[in-house]
Amino acid sequence: GQNIDQPTEMTATEGAIVQINCTYQTSGFNGLFWYQQHAGEAPTFLSYNVLDGLEEKGRFSSFLSRSKGYSYLLLKELQMKDSASYLCAVVDSNYQLIWGAGTKLIIKP
Amino acid sequence: SQTIHQWPATLVQPVGSPLSLECTVEGTSNPNLYWYRQAAGRGLQLLFYSVGIGQISSEVPQNLSASRPQDRQFILSSKKLLLSDSGFYLCAWGPTGHSGANVLTFGAGSRLTVL
Repeated sequence: GQNIDQPTEMTATEGAIVQINCTYQTSGFNGLFWYQQHAGEAPTFLSYNVLDGLEEKGRFSSFLSRSKGYSYLLLKELQMKDSASYLCAVVDSNYQLIWGAGTKLIIKP
Repeated sequence: SQTIHQWPATLVQPVGSPLSLECTVEGTSNPNLYWYRQAAGRGLQLLFYSVGIGQISSEVPQNLSASRPQDRQFILSSKKLLLSDSGFYLCAWGPTGHSGANVLTFGAGSRLTVL
C-alpha cells in the first residue's frame, strides 16, 4: 500500500528553527508537495520538490531524498503565525496525490 | 488571476436530509476539479475528481455523488446524509493535464455537521 508518515504534533519556540519530517512509500514518484493549513482554513501551497536537494524560499526550505523516501520542511525564525498544520503529499506514478495526515506545529512565545 | 469559491461555509443537517455543496472557479479554462474530505487527525481523502464537463471519477464508494454541469462548476451531493458524512469538505482546482508539478488551489472549505 501507499503510505506517508509525519509526526502528529511538534512544539517550537518563537524565533527558533524547526524541521518537520516526512517519509513515504508510494507506487512511483512524480514529486512531493508541502502545504500549510491554518485551523479551520484551506491548505495553501508552500513548496514542491521533484529532484534531490534543498529548495529555499524565504524562511521556509524543503529537502528531498528520493533514494531514502524522505523529505523535510525547515522553518526558520519562527513566528506565531507559523502555528498551523503542515501537510506532506506525494504524487504517485498515476499522478494521484497521496496525503499525509499532517503535522500540527505549535509555536510558543 | 484565478479564484475559487466554495459554499456554504458551514451547515448543520439532520440524518437522512439531502446535501449540495457548490464550487466554482474563475480565471481559468478546463481545470481539473477535486472534492476532498478531511477528518480530524487524518489526511485529505479524495472523493471525486473531474477532468472535464460530465467526466467524474469516484475514488471512494459511498452515498455521495458529484457533478460537473459546466466547465468551472463542481457540485457535491447526497440524497440522504449519514452521521459519518460529517467533516470538512474541500474543493480544489488544478491545471489541465497530468503533471507532477500541478499545484492544487483549495476553496475555503465547507464544515458539515450531520446530527
